[in-house]
This record gives sequence, C-alpha cells and structure tokens, in this order.
Amino acid sequence: GAGVSQSPRYKVAKRGQDVALRCDPISGHVSLFWYQQALGQGPEFLTYFQNEAQLDKSGLPSDRFFAERPEGSVSTLKIQRTQQEDSAVYLCASSLSGSRGNYEQYFGPGTRLTVT
Amino acid sequence: GQQVMQIPQYQHVQEGEDFTTYCNSSTTLSNIQWYKQRPGGHPVFLIQLVKSGEVKKQKRLTFQFGEAKKNSSLHITATQTTDVGTYFCAGLSNSGSRLTFGEGTQLTVNP
Repeated sequence: GAGVSQSPRYKVAKRGQDVALRCDPISGHVSLFWYQQALGQGPEFLTYFQNEAQLDKSGLPSDRFFAERPEGSVSTLKIQRTQQEDSAVYLCASSLSGSRGNYEQYFGPGTRLTVT
Repeated sequence: GQQVMQIPQYQHVQEGEDFTTYCNSSTTLSNIQWYKQRPGGHPVFLIQLVKSGEVKKQKRLTFQFGEAKKNSSLHITATQTTDVGTYFCAGLSNSGSRLTFGEGTQLTVNP
C-alpha cells in the first residue's frame, strides 16, 4: 500500500514569501505529526494531530508557523514570511494509534525548504 | 524540557566489526523508539521498547532499555555495508505527546 507522501519534495522560497507544505498520511492513520530536521540533526517535533484535532502545537517555533488537518486526513503546514533560519527538511509522520506517540510512526520523504 | 542525548555522533567501522550507540534521557521515559535514516532518506521505524530492562533482538540488532527507563542502547553484531545510516533514538516522556529525538549516530561501514 501507499506510504506517507509529501509535496512538494523541494521548495525554494525568497525570504518573506509564504509557503505551504502538504502531507498525505497513510489511509486510516489517526495520528499525524510534523517535524523539522536541520542538517545533521535529529527531527524536532513541531505539532501533533489526532484526527482533525490539533492536540499539541508546542513545538511550532513562532506564530509564523501554522498547521491544519481539517478533515482528519491531509495536513498542511504553512509558514508565513519565511526567514533563512526556516531552511530545513520538514517531515510528516503518521501513526495508526490514537494513543499519543505509543506506536511506530511512518515518515514521509520530507520537503526540503531552502529560503534564499 | 526533556533532552535526549546520543553518543557517539559518528562511528566508522570495518565490515564485520560490532557497533553500539547509546542514548540517555534527562527524564524518565514512557517508552523509547529507534529509527534508522539512510543517507538522503527518511527515518524508518526499527523498534519500540516499553518495559524497564527490556531487551529485544532483530537478527544482528540488539536493543536494550535501562532499568530506570532513562537510557537505551542499540548494538549491531558483525556490521554489513547495508547497516550504513544514521540511527536515532526517540523518547516519549510520561507526560508528553511528543517524541524527542536524539541527534543520532552516523554509522559508516568500510567494506
């Protein structure tokens, strides 16, 4: 079956532009997570959804970052007024369980964002 | 906040040698997961440990969870070139919903 997909795979944005990153989780997966991964670092948690409810957004670095999952399936991470420090790979992961973090997470290929 | 530290950051071995990476958390964990990320790829789940002192094996890989549920290790016996990649531990705190990843150990295997 299909895994987690993300689009676009690569995005180059000029500083100050808004970007929208899309995640299609595995069908039927209740939980969806967004992570930011800088080069040579481990993924850093951004936010977590259980179905359409955003239960934890404490990892979002600023109010320029916004995530939604309106129908409990596809999710979008939006970054407004991008800055150079936003350059990173943005990973989406989904999990079957509604129990937070207690089951394996399936990661998508990521979107590599470069802000120039 | 919770911190998860991994050592070493890099490990270079000859094919056939053993490899171990260690993970330490600043707080007691509910569970710990291990992921492998190949160069240019995304993290892939390897295993989850839940119980204090738990040991799990997957072929040449042995995973341990410490008695205090604050540390963990991954040991690979007789490494192969297919083992190349970065190994991450990720801990879930008792009070949180987030996985906190370590910085990873990048393993290279010389044939």
